[in-house]
Amino acid sequence: ETGVTQSPTHLIKTRGQQVTLRCSSQSGHNTVSWYQQALGQGPQFIFQYYREEENGRGNFPPRFSGLQFPNYSSELNVNALELDDSALYLCASSTDGASTDTQYFGPGTRLTVL
Amino acid sequence: QKEVEQNSGPLSVPEGAIASLNCTYSDRGSQSFFWYRQYSGKSPELIMSIYSNGDKEDGRFTAQLNKASQYVSLLIRDSQPSDSATYLCAVYMIKAAGNKLTFGGGTRVLVKP
Repeated sequence: ETGVTQSPTHLIKTRGQQVTLRCSSQSGHNTVSWYQQALGQGPQFIFQYYREEENGRGNFPPRFSGLQFPNYSSELNVNALELDDSALYLCASSTDGASTDTQYFGPGTRLTVL
Repeated sequence: QKEVEQNSGPLSVPEGAIASLNCTYSDRGSQSFFWYRQYSGKSPELIMSIYSNGDKEDGRFTAQLNKASQYVSLLIRDSQPSDSATYLCAVYMIKAAGNKLTFGGGTRVLVKP
């Protein structure tokens, strides 16, 4: 176990709805990264938060947004859900987001969009 | 061209044999490289990290890095059925838009008893 937790475990939504996923980072970690993993593919970087500021973003549209709180937990919000948003959403925490920093993954949230 | 490329497999290996996994990356400036293992339905877990050219050994696992060739590999010695999983190569890339850990598509490994 990495100490990174995510909620909920599974979620079913319909097209056009909005969803919020949550992540609690490992104790002592101030950086959280979010990834989307479609079936049979590697994780795709969505964005990273370091000390409550966005610290990098992948090729995802603005309807993917996030927050990091003072306790370094984080939320991923997705608006106007599309069928292709169905995936495993992973968050990973790390000490300070440096290049040599290991990212530890939570168990993920499986999102299904109908 | 994908930023990080891996053969998707499956790589079928007899129990006790060596599994050899390869990964190439496009960003010549990359400095940090990671191998993760992911069991079906689970999240990735770190196996090894490597930052310098050469070999790094940890138990039955050896990572090899060649920055000039933009190539990183993972060897699994004495493969066990419990090693059957998807292995993800990840490269930390320095980008103007923000640094990011970029994953390959993964290589599925099947260890047959």
